[in-house]
Amino acid sequence: DIQMTQSPSTLSASVGDRVTITCRASQNINDRLAWYQHKPGKAPKLLIYKASNLEPGVPSRFSGSGSGTEFTLTIGSLQPDDFATFYCQHYNSFSSTFGQGTKLDIK
Amino acid sequence: QVQLVQSGAEVKKPGASVKISCQASGYTFTGYNIHWVRQAPGQGLEWMGWTNPNSGGANPAQKFQGRLTMTRDTSIKTAYMELTSLRSDDTAIYYCARSSVAFHYFDYWGQGALVTVSS
Repeated sequence: DIQMTQSPSTLSASVGDRVTITCRASQNINDRLAWYQHKPGKAPKLLIYKASNLEPGVPSRFSGSGSGTEFTLTIGSLQPDDFATFYCQHYNSFSSTFGQGTKLDIK
Repeated sequence: QVQLVQSGAEVKKPGASVKISCQASGYTFTGYNIHWVRQAPGQGLEWMGWTNPNSGGANPAQKFQGRLTMTRDTSIKTAYMELTSLRSDDTAIYYCARSSVAFHYFDYWGQGALVTVSS
């Protein structure tokens, strides 16, 4: 099975900061990667699909990059609403695997 | 607008089964797959499996094979997830989520259903 490893596990930042979260796959997954934002008591929200495609309605300060085994989610200028836990997800035709999550909190 | 509305919270005893529903609206139910994802307390997201409402085919994750059944009723645009032989570590919020048939990322999610397994 493909393993997805996110880093860091937790991240403290301030409003206006630029932050980057990394997701590494245990083998080549091409661009089959999505990113989600998850807040307590709410359903996860899709941010990025196919590694770098912004889901409609998601602010442009969110961006994704990478292919193969290393991927990044960047938030260009943190807003108060952005503090949450972020997950990467590898998907293929048969199965999916989530990273363990990165909790982004206010410094 | 696309909506997935799940059934409510459940409390079950160890060894019992739970069945959660996920009713779709705002799109062609048979045109998209339905996946099930859970989050145990203090843990991350865990993918459980998917079902194709058009064919009725299902693909549970290896971890859940033999315990997880995913079905659907196209007449009422509803997908179901049944988990048997419940254990305390099955206590979690269970989500349904939609994906295209070709690409299994999840663009719409249900609100979640808390399942508590306790004696």
